Amino acid sequence: EVQLVESGGGLVQPGRSLKLSCAASGFTFSNYYMAWVRQAPKKGLEWVATISTSGSRTYYPDSVKGRFTISRDNAKSSLYLQMNSLKSEDTATYYCARMWEPHFDYWGQGVMVTVSS
Amino acid sequence: DVVMTQTPVSLSVSLGGQTSISCRSSQSLVHSDGNTYLYWYLQKPGQSPQLLIYKVSNRFSGVPDRFSGSGSGTDFTLKISRVEPEDLGVYYCYQGTHYPWTFGGGTKLELK
Repeated sequence: EVQLVESGGGLVQPGRSLKLSCAASGFTFSNYYMAWVRQAPKKGLEWVATISTSGSRTYYPDSVKGRFTISRDNAKSSLYLQMNSLKSEDTATYYCARMWEPHFDYWGQGVMVTVSS
Repeated sequence: DVVMTQTPVSLSVSLGGQTSISCRSSQSLVHSDGNTYLYWYLQKPGQSPQLLIYKVSNRFSGVPDRFSGSGSGTDFTLKISRVEPEDLGVYYCYQGTHYPWTFGGGTKLELK
């Protein structure tokens, strides 16, 4: 059974940093692209970042490019999201997701990030 | 960015009834490789999204045949027949053809 478990969320002040983690199990992690998708409170879904199987290629939308960095450790079956220069509009539930072709076939339960002073 | 417009925003349906959700994209979703990367997700209350339909009309593993997807180019439809209580929630369409990948605004399915 595919399992994705996020951690590292919490309350952070604007301009500060936070790093999210996602522990994967139930599949061969190194064979899949992985991604982060977020959902602001009572809002829709927004793709945030994607990383290739080896970690050599990363992709971001303009809203987070230059501030967020996705990375992975295949030996630990773990995915990360380093978030810098956080803004109030980054407040959201962040989901770790496995990718197959250009879509997300399995999602974690999500972790909440609140950016507020 | 490709804008995905879903209609209606909310929908009331009777158990056992049938309904449909429309999704329109601001650009054609036909990729240069010939595929159309249009997907449907359901987010049940308090849960993370789950994949229902991939590449327009293919049901994901375990998805009942009450769900069907259709469409082409810029116009797509999700049909739900014989609605059951576990079908309630918010439905999202999503495109993976053009960067940045984008989701529709969602359609909330409620009981009448």
